[in-house]
Amino acid sequence: AQSVTQPDIHITVSEGASLELRCNYSYGATPYLFWYVQSPGQGLQLLLKYFSGDTLVQGIKGFEAEFKRSQSSFNLRKPSVHWSDAAEYFCAVGARAAGNKLTFGGGTRVLVKP
Amino acid sequence: DGGITQSPKYLFRKEGQNVTLSCEQNLNHDAMYWYRQDPGQGLRLIYYSQIVNDFQKGDIAEGYSVSREKKESFPLTVTSAQKNPTAFYLCASSFDRAGSQQETQYFGPGTRLLVL
Repeated sequence: AQSVTQPDIHITVSEGASLELRCNYSYGATPYLFWYVQSPGQGLQLLLKYFSGDTLVQGIKGFEAEFKRSQSSFNLRKPSVHWSDAAEYFCAVGARAAGNKLTFGGGTRVLVKP
Repeated sequence: DGGITQSPKYLFRKEGQNVTLSCEQNLNHDAMYWYRQDPGQGLRLIYYSQIVNDFQKGDIAEGYSVSREKKESFPLTVTSAQKNPTAFYLCASSFDRAGSQQETQYFGPGTRLLVL
């Protein structure tokens, strides 16, 4: 069975600084990987996804993520954080063979200091 | 506008009561999903349906029931057998195309269920 670990529960970053959120997965087959963002009391919005091809994936809002098979990681990055990036971020691994089911990590809450 | 709607935004349940959460989508998606989110935890899959009149249990189906009579709708009933129903419930949907590598799930705004 697949699993996803987000080691950092909370991260505080200053506005304008860079941000990196870690995601490690465990899955026996080719992973399909996603990052979602959730504002308080809201649903999840897709930031980016990796299915195959180029291991550096560009997403919305200036985010990017890099798939590293050797490290079983899919870390999310943003070069310069804006106050509006304060939210909770979820990494997920998909299983096409199991009805497109997603397994989510526990999430990382990002706080942005002015 | 195409999207996924969930209602109500807040729902209160009394002891021993069944309550039903609504999820509707107009994206022409084939598959629909229900997740439960607890504070400090990720999302856990309750039920999912890949086609009308068919659905499968997810990881935490006990105390919940669903139906899929229409492609657009996938209501979730939280029964009195669910002893700890207080949570944020999220509905999602996706295509389910034969031969595709993986489908992206899109989420509704959620329903917060509270026990009185």
